[in-house]
Amino acid sequence: DIQMTQSPSSLSASVGDRVTITCRASQSITNFLNWYQQKPGEAPNLLIYGAYNLQSGAPSRFSGSGSGTDFTLTINSLQPEDSATYSCQQSYTTPYTFGQGTKLEIK
Amino acid sequence: QVQLVESGGGVVQPGRSLRLSCVASESTFRNYAMFWFRQAPGKGLEWVAQIAHDGNSENRADSVKGRFTISRDNSKNTLYLQMNSLRPEDTAVYYCARCFYMAGVGRWFDPWGQGTPVTVSS
Repeated sequence: DIQMTQSPSSLSASVGDRVTITCRASQSITNFLNWYQQKPGEAPNLLIYGAYNLQSGAPSRFSGSGSGTDFTLTINSLQPEDSATYSCQQSYTTPYTFGQGTKLEIK
Repeated sequence: QVQLVESGGGVVQPGRSLRLSCVASESTFRNYAMFWFRQAPGKGLEWVAQIAHDGNSENRADSVKGRFTISRDNSKNTLYLQMNSLRPEDTAVYYCARCFYMAGVGRWFDPWGQGTPVTVSS
């Protein structure tokens, strides 16, 4: 199975900050990488697919980059509603594995 | 925008069965592969099973093979997950999700249902 490792596991930032979350795959997954936002008690919400494609309806302050094994989710100009857990997922091969999640707190 | 609504979760003893359902709000349901995922309390997301748009192929995680069966009824816009021989480690919130696919981009999942909780405990 492909292991997905996110860092950091948690972080705290202020409104207006720029935040970066990284995701590393245990082998190359080309650009088959998705990012999800999940708030407590809610279902995951797709933000980015194919490493850098912004899902329709997702705010433009979210962006993704990377290929191969190393990927990044960037949130520009952090907003209070961005408080959530962010997870990466590879769709290169089954089982479609997820990272353990990064919990983002707004100060 | 299509909506997915799961049902069928609950509290069940080890070794018993449950059937989860996921109803889509649109008949475009028939055009997409569908997936089940789960999330154990305080844990990350886990892929459980998938089924092709026409139901002719499916795949399951090793942890549920031989116990869980995925199926669909396109005439009812409904996806199912039959869970037999349940174990305490199957305790989780179960989500269904629609799958998109594009060559060179991969698969992505949107939307997800609100989830249905399953607790396996004696």
